Amino acid sequence: DAGITQSPRYKITETGRQVTLMCHQTWSHSYMFWYRQDLGHGLRLIYYSAAADITDKGEVPDGYVVSRSKTENFPLTLESATRSQTSVYFCASRPRGGDTQYFGPGTRLTVL
Amino acid sequence: GENVEQHPSTLSVQEGDSAVIKCTYSDSASNYFPWYKQELGKRPQLIIDIRSNVGEKKDQRIAVTLNKTAKHFSLHITETQPEDSAVYFCGINTGTASKLTFGTGTRLQVTL
Repeated sequence: DAGITQSPRYKITETGRQVTLMCHQTWSHSYMFWYRQDLGHGLRLIYYSAAADITDKGEVPDGYVVSRSKTENFPLTLESATRSQTSVYFCASRPRGGDTQYFGPGTRLTVL
Repeated sequence: GENVEQHPSTLSVQEGDSAVIKCTYSDSASNYFPWYKQELGKRPQLIIDIRSNVGEKKDQRIAVTLNKTAKHFSLHITETQPEDSAVYFCGINTGTASKLTFGTGTRLQVTL
């Protein structure tokens, strides 16, 4: 579990501000994922990446931007935060050829 | 898009009783079905998974059964203990990147 970390763990911001959530993994996993978790909705996929410089949209991508210049990092940016983006965000990774996803500890984001 | 329905949303059992959580899905191409456990304030963690070429898998007190024809799979927990209290999510893999789509979760409470 220590192989995948997220920062910050807690963040409070205001509507309209840009926020970047960081995800770092030390396993050299090819795939990385961003989910948001909201009561009643479970875990919903925002974006995912199959390798460095390869990203694709998930179920709820609007309002988010991702990049992946290095295999180990997968930052998620909210370019102009809205109250509806208040949520707990989880990053996950899995190796190529494997199915199991391993989750980071999460970031609790509050947008005021 | 891909859909996974999970029932029940809440489940309360007495210690020592069994608990069963069921998920139904629509994507016939799915071939990997994990179950994650999430304790309060923690990250989701894989507890058991099954692939489509297997009908049942067991690991101590937990088991998963899969009916591919009917497109449903279930988590069975026997001899429940207070530490089993958590939210449980089912998942299915979808698409070429083997993304996971999750159910909305079941909050299991084991009472003494």
